[in-house]
Amino acid sequence: ELKVEQNPLFLSMQEGKNYTIYCNYSTTSDRLYWYRQDPGKSLESLFVLLSNGAVKQEGRLMASLDTKARLSTLHITAAVHDLSATYFCAFWKYSGAGSYQLTFGKGTKLSVIP
Amino acid sequence: DGGITQSPKYLFRKEGQNVTLSCEQNLNHDAMYWYRQDPGQGLRLIYYSQIVNDFQKGDIAEGYSVSREKKESFPLTVTSAQKNPTAFYLCASSLGLAGDGETQYFGPGTRLLVL
Repeated sequence: ELKVEQNPLFLSMQEGKNYTIYCNYSTTSDRLYWYRQDPGKSLESLFVLLSNGAVKQEGRLMASLDTKARLSTLHITAAVHDLSATYFCAFWKYSGAGSYQLTFGKGTKLSVIP
Repeated sequence: DGGITQSPKYLFRKEGQNVTLSCEQNLNHDAMYWYRQDPGQGLRLIYYSQIVNDFQKGDIAEGYSVSREKKESFPLTVTSAQKNPTAFYLCASSLGLAGDGETQYFGPGTRLLVL
């Protein structure tokens, strides 16, 4: 069974601070995705990480992938209130015959307080 | 404006009723997807389609059906066999398949409630 564990599930941080969200997954994969969801809204794709050692950055968010450790991280630098949202990691795994399996983490609810 | 539209925004289903959720995209994307989100959870994949007239079951396809007769449209029918359909349904599309590394773009979602 494919499993994805995110931690922490809830994160309250002060503006200006740095923090990291961790995403561990249970099987080999080199297709790791990060998404953002605002309360009551749809999802927005943030990053697609396609190979071991991949690092991508957008503004105050930086994502990385270590396929050997089966770990992806989402690092937040100098947090601002606008980053308050729920962040999900997910991975797709090819299961043969043109089919894929998709597994999402439960999400990390981030609240940035002034 | 290019994007993905879903309708209706809210949908109420009676016991034993089939209902259809609409998803349309004008991004000229080949791949389209349907997801279900339950409160406090991540998304689960219901069906996806890589190309017109072809679709694949996701992890929770039982009680759902889809069609892909046109590139821009991927409607989802929630049948009476789906015993617990109350959820937030999201449609997405991507140029190629997300499993191959393509970025997905999501619609605004439909909330389905059972009366």
